[in-house]
Amino acid sequence: QLQLQESGSGLVKPSQTLSLTCAVSGDSISSGAYSWSWIRQPPGRGLEWIGYIYHSVTTYYNPSLKSRVTISVDRSRNQFSLKMKSVTAADTAVYYCARVHGSGPRWFDPWGQGTLVTVSS
Amino acid sequence: QSALTQPASVSGSPGQSITISCTGTSSDLGAYNYVSWYQQHPGKAPKLLIFDVRDRPSGVSARFSGSKSGNTASLTISGLQAEDEADYYCASYSSSSTLVVFGGGTKLTVL
Repeated sequence: QLQLQESGSGLVKPSQTLSLTCAVSGDSISSGAYSWSWIRQPPGRGLEWIGYIYHSVTTYYNPSLKSRVTISVDRSRNQFSLKMKSVTAADTAVYYCARVHGSGPRWFDPWGQGTLVTVSS
Repeated sequence: QSALTQPASVSGSPGQSITISCTGTSSDLGAYNYVSWYQQHPGKAPKLLIFDVRDRPSGVSARFSGSKSGNTASLTISGLQAEDEADYYCASYSSSSTLVVFGGGTKLTVL
């Protein structure tokens, strides 16, 4: 059964870089059968799609975040990562990783449990 | 402001049926059958309920069903149960540069 687990810095100072990793178990990222995505949810608010990576190298980002975001895959560790630079308080959110189904993407399943990132000095 | 529009809240009594709407545009929900629905309990990750407008993943109760007409998709929950109380989000593929759009979420209260 596929499981995803986020990890990374829970507290980031303004203007610094947020770094998160999603460890994948039960499937091989290298198989190329699926794409992998990051989605976030500010406290008390709705979901926002950040971007995704497919074929382990091709990425697509939400235009509103594109200039600050990088998603990459580490095949040797079977995980993928999110880096977001120049963060502000508006980037405070629970960050989820998820497997993407269908080219598009079409839907997200499963999701990781999520990790709260707080941007504060 | 979310790209897809959902009612902020809906409510129903146990055993009843409720429907949550999700309205988009001809660039997303109206143009593609790539609508998905997610259930989120407090403090938990979203869980996939419906994909491709009306398909249910294995393990999801048949009480959950999806449909679409024009630019509006709907999630219907029949035979409401206490454990259905949660937030529900719709999502759609979009031909805009955003690619994926979510609704703002609907809080379901089981009275």
